[in-house]
Amino acid sequence: DIQMTQSPASLSASLGETVTIECRASEDIYNGLAWYQQKPGKSPQLLIYNANSLHTGVPSRFSGSGSGTQYSLKINSLQSEDVASYFCQQYYNYPYTFGAGTKLELK
Amino acid sequence: QVNLLQSRAALVKPGASVKLSCKASGYTFTDYYIHWVKQSHGKSLEWIGYINPNSGYTNYNEKFKSKATLTVDKSTNTAYMELSRLTSEDSATYYCTRRVTTGYYFDYWGQGVMVTVSS
Repeated sequence: DIQMTQSPASLSASLGETVTIECRASEDIYNGLAWYQQKPGKSPQLLIYNANSLHTGVPSRFSGSGSGTQYSLKINSLQSEDVASYFCQQYYNYPYTFGAGTKLELK
Repeated sequence: QVNLLQSRAALVKPGASVKLSCKASGYTFTDYYIHWVKQSHGKSLEWIGYINPNSGYTNYNEKFKSKATLTVDKSTNTAYMELSRLTSEDSATYYCTRRVTTGYYFDYWGQGVMVTVSS
């Protein structure tokens, strides 16, 4: 199975700040990566697919980048509604696997 | 609008089975694979497997092969997941989710159903 190592596990940032979350795959996943946002008590919501494509309706302050085994999610100008957990997921190979998640809080 | 409506929370005894449902609406049910994902108490996510509603073909994570059984009822646009021989390790929230037709990621998720295994 492909292991997804996500960092940091938790993150505290101020409104307006830029934050970056990283995900490292145990092997090349050829951009087969998605990022999801999950707010407390809610189901995950798709943000980014194919490593760098913004899902419909997602604010442009979210962006994804990376290649090979290293990927990142960047949130520009942090808003209060961005407080959530964020997960990466590889879908290059079965079984699909997820990162452990990053809990983003406001400072 | 696309909606995946999951069944209510379940409290089940160890050793028993439970069948979870996921009723799809707002799109052509047979055009999109349904996947199931497990989330244990606010932790990370585990992919269980998927079913092709058109053919009934299934593909499971090896870890869940003897635990989960996926089925569909095309007449009611509903996908099901039966979990068997439940233990405390199966206590979790389970999501159904739809895979896009143009890729392998998930664009819509059900609201999740919490399963608690306790005597």
